[in-house]
Amino acid sequence: EVQLVQSGAEVKKPGESLKISCKGSGYRFTSYWVAWVRQMPGKGLEWMGIIYPGDSDTRYSPSFQGQVTISADKSINTAYLQWSTLKASDSAIYYCARQLASTSFGVWYYYGMDVWGQGTTVTVSS
Amino acid sequence: DIQLTQSPSSLSVSVGDRVTITCRASQSIGSYLNWYQQKPGKAPRLLIYSTSSLLSGVPSRFSGGGSGTDFTLTISSLQPEDFATYYCQQSYSGLPFGQGTKLEIK
Repeated sequence: EVQLVQSGAEVKKPGESLKISCKGSGYRFTSYWVAWVRQMPGKGLEWMGIIYPGDSDTRYSPSFQGQVTISADKSINTAYLQWSTLKASDSAIYYCARQLASTSFGVWYYYGMDVWGQGTTVTVSS
Repeated sequence: DIQLTQSPSSLSVSVGDRVTITCRASQSIGSYLNWYQQKPGKAPRLLIYSTSSLLSGVPSRFSGGGSGTDFTLTISSLQPEDFATYYCQQSYSGLPFGQGTKLEIK
């Protein structure tokens, strides 16, 4: 079964750092991009960025560039999303998802996100 | 940045209704448009990618159409399990989502 399993809920204080994880199984992890998506309480979906675990090529949404770091450890089929300094406004559910894509002559073409993790709830409060 | 605008933001509908949700892009995105369903407390689920390709396992009452800047998601006969929020997403430049359309019981 193809699945992404995310790390558990986190409660942090403003100013603290955090790294959450997303472990893939049931497919070749290094051959698919992994996306991170934020959903703030009662709000819609926001794309944060994607990473290709095969070579760690990473693309960020302009809204999140410099605010978070996306990484991956292909040896353990795991992608990560991290913050160096959390703010209360980072409180949200964070999803990872497998991003369908194809490549031609070095250009990537993206389609939908077909497999999703269960979400990690991050609460930042003093 | 390419913006996506979904309409309506919410819709009151009944079981058996034919439902159409629209997604408009601020510039042409070819056929790089995807649709998701999200139920409360659950992760989103991909329904349709590349405008009209139904993901395996998605009921055939769901269909997608359009090209360029105007796209639609149609549910031919709404079932009780279809009450949810639906999001479009473009994958032509970045991967932003529309703001969502919530289907509510009339």
